[in-house]
Amino acid sequence: RKEVEQDPGPFNVPEGATVAFNCTYSNSASQSFFWYRQDCRKEPKLLMSVYSSGNEDGRFTAQLNRASQYISLLIRDSKLSDSATYLCVVNMGNAGGTSYGKLTFGQGTILTVHP
Amino acid sequence: DAGVIQSPRHEVTEMGQEVTLRCKPISGHDYLFWYRQTMMRGLELLIYFNNNVPIDDSGMPEDRFSAKMPNASFSTLKIQPSEPRDSAVYFCASSLTAGSSEAFFGQGTRLTVV
Repeated sequence: RKEVEQDPGPFNVPEGATVAFNCTYSNSASQSFFWYRQDCRKEPKLLMSVYSSGNEDGRFTAQLNRASQYISLLIRDSKLSDSATYLCVVNMGNAGGTSYGKLTFGQGTILTVHP
Repeated sequence: DAGVIQSPRHEVTEMGQEVTLRCKPISGHDYLFWYRQTMMRGLELLIYFNNNVPIDDSGMPEDRFSAKMPNASFSTLKIQPSEPRDSAVYFCASSLTAGSSEAFFGQGTRLTVV
């Protein structure tokens, strides 16, 4: 089983649509969680952190379910500029703390928003 | 701040040659990461450093790969000898602390081994 698994996608949606991405992680000792965005032929950039209580940033909402080891990202009112690859990222800390800084990325989900 | 700086941006080399990729992290960041990205495998963590000390190199594919961080402002990833299957985009990233802080990526080095 991969350490971080995402919906394979790709997702093709019209402008204005709502789209949701899911992600699961294998290490129950994981400490922190993020969504990154990567545009074509560019480097990944932080989109938002994911907090236990869930958090929202404009049209973007992130949820975390520690019991199920599941993370989600919801994008409302999709824009053409949202077209990118969305990467689920987990800090794979362990109980001993020996790999606390290790950020592990999912494979990514490609989103294309069309007019 | 100039961000994480990687060089070269593009590298084309022949199989068997030595390749050295370079990275300058953001000043003050304690963590430095080397990732490799391919279509097939996505982003893979190769190695990461904390305060210039390698912490986890379990992602380094084989002995042909080595990484160093001689000081807080410079790191190298070396491949010797290079093989066509090493062709990928190599990213360097740095972060202020472990855990909850954002990792900032350089623009990557696109390596092609022919």
